[in-house]
Amino acid sequence: EPEVTQTPSHQVTQMGQEVILRCVPISNHLYFYWYRQILGQKVEFLVSFYNNEISEKSEIFDDQFSVERPDGSNFTLKIRSTKLEDSAMYFCASSEQDRAIPYGYTFGSGTRLTVV
Amino acid sequence: GIQVEQSPPDLILQEGANSTLRCNFSDSVNNLQWFHQNPWGQLINLFYIPSGTKQNGRLSATTVATERYSLLYISSSQTTDSGVYFCAVEPASGTYKYIFGTGTRLKVLA
Repeated sequence: EPEVTQTPSHQVTQMGQEVILRCVPISNHLYFYWYRQILGQKVEFLVSFYNNEISEKSEIFDDQFSVERPDGSNFTLKIRSTKLEDSAMYFCASSEQDRAIPYGYTFGSGTRLTVV
Repeated sequence: GIQVEQSPPDLILQEGANSTLRCNFSDSVNNLQWFHQNPWGQLINLFYIPSGTKQNGRLSATTVATERYSLLYISSSQTTDSGVYFCAVEPASGTYKYIFGTGTRLKVLA
């Protein structure tokens, strides 16, 4: 079964540093997402991406965050200047292109980001 | 926006017991999935079930979209079933994203 791959699985960074979280979505999917889960809380939507641009973003996704699809396979989330409260599990997801047909989302295994 | 509530919030079972987890949503949805978050934090897809009933081994799920709820049944629970169960819905309002529920934390005792 096709998978969404996320790297690294765990990253520790100093407060104020930039981090880039990487994802390889399923190859024939065209919708990509980032979600965040602070420890012990529910999973929250950050941003959706389609046709090389952001289609929707949440209030959490402020100017410190950016997303990019630098090539045909990778999808990245960048946090410019990390804060302690950015510590969380970050999930990437992708879904199929045909919106006329019901579909499921496939989630990656997550990157646990710890800001110290 | 749409509200997604799960019940119960916490559940403790003896191994071998059966349980029903519920997901209520406040508006129409196009898609619904159930996930199990294991102790390592991974989200494991259990069911894609926008409507109807599905079964997979000891697990089954039913979604009654017209009444805005979904149920996840776990039979003959095992310690490996422990973790947090989330439902996630995609609103029918045209926004293409999943909204996650509040989760049910399940602990199965040996």
